[in-house]
Amino acid sequence: QQQVKQSPQSLIVQKGGISIINCAYENTAFDYFPWYQQFPGKGPALLIAIRPDVSEKKEGRFTISFNKSAKQFSLHIMDSQPGDSATYFCAAGDQGGKLIFGQGTELSVKP
Amino acid sequence: DARVTQTPRHKVTEMGQEVTMRCQPILGHNTVFWYRQTMMQGLELLAYFRNRAPLDDSGMPKDRFSAEMPDATLATLKIQPSEPRDSAVYFCASGLGTGVSNQPQHFGDGTRLSIL
Repeated sequence: QQQVKQSPQSLIVQKGGISIINCAYENTAFDYFPWYQQFPGKGPALLIAIRPDVSEKKEGRFTISFNKSAKQFSLHIMDSQPGDSATYFCAAGDQGGKLIFGQGTELSVKP
Repeated sequence: DARVTQTPRHKVTEMGQEVTMRCQPILGHNTVFWYRQTMMQGLELLAYFRNRAPLDDSGMPKDRFSAEMPDATLATLKIQPSEPRDSAVYFCASGLGTGVSNQPQHFGDGTRLSIL
């Protein structure tokens, strides 16, 4: 019940295309759903986050779509750029402050 | 730009040695998390503190790992004795936790640990 399942494991997208990464969770107690971006040799950096009272949140080229009934959420990266090439992690958090992370998606954006 | 600082950035040592990793959370943050990242297991939460008190260390092997916060500006993670399977990148993160809602966590750049 504590797992967060993330797919795909890796993704190759052409420059200017849309990158889509999906996550699913089981525990209905989760109330916070962030996405992190990690570059090699660096720690994960918070990209965007959503709470379950909204179905979509957009910040620049990054959008989270959230489906509470299906217990799924996804990250869309519009107009993907080579600089977006990184590993992306979804996570789910409870009110106690803990985060459970997905396994990560390695995104490669080709010029 | 406030950031979480971790030292050392890299550590190579032999099996059986004690390893100490340090973390300076962002000033004013009251919650500190320790994570371990490996290819096989991904990012795993080891332990976390709020207002310097341990809240959850269920993810940590108790026989060899210990985590403490001697003061609000320093968190430590110790492994004694270390084993090759402890080789991983260890991340510290900090945030402003209220206990009633989840808040953003800010990560350091990690300690890359290799146990030979």
